[in-house]
Amino acid sequence: KNQVEQSPQSLIILEGKNCTLQCNYTVSPFSNLRWYKQDTGRGPVSLTIMTFSENTKSNGRYTATLDADTKQSSLHITASQLSDSASYICVVSGSGGSNYKLTFGKGTLLTVNP
Amino acid sequence: EAQVTQNPRYLITVTGKKLTVTCSQNMNHEYMSWYRQDPGLGLRQIYYSMNVEVTDKGDVPEGYKVSRKEKRNFPLILESPSPNQTSLYFCASSRGGELFFGEGSRLTVL
Repeated sequence: KNQVEQSPQSLIILEGKNCTLQCNYTVSPFSNLRWYKQDTGRGPVSLTIMTFSENTKSNGRYTATLDADTKQSSLHITASQLSDSASYICVVSGSGGSNYKLTFGKGTLLTVNP
Repeated sequence: EAQVTQNPRYLITVTGKKLTVTCSQNMNHEYMSWYRQDPGLGLRQIYYSMNVEVTDKGDVPEGYKVSRKEKRNFPLILESPSPNQTSLYFCASSRGGELFFGEGSRLTVL
């Protein structure tokens, strides 16, 4: 069964600090992996999309990595800001006919305190 | 402005009273989908549509119906809502892999 596991479940850090969120998946065959940011009560917004051949992709202070061999991804947030407080969701899609059959992680709830 | 619009945003209803949550996108996307989000369970896919007149079940389709008669609209129908369908619902559209989500519809079934 396709699964996406995220860790930690929740995380509290101080403003200005860095943090790394983890995503492990068992989706096969693999097409791409996406990280989304979801503010409380709002719809998720895409941060990065990574395909099999990509190892690293950055979007401002957000850097995602992908190791397709170990089926692991991480999202690194640099110099955190209060506005980074949100849930971060890892989403994996399979290739071929199941390209749009997405598997969602349960998310990591990040709280950035002043 | 490119967007996915859901209505209603908030709804309280009673068991068995049919309701429809509308979803419309203005980006000419072929792919649209519906999700529900519950505490501790994350986002779960209800139904998705690859194009007009093409729909398929997601992970939790029971108790829901959808239709895709035109590209921009993808309504979610609850024929006989039950309390276990109380949830936060999101519609999304996509082309090229990135999902664009609506702002969500919070549904309470009493």
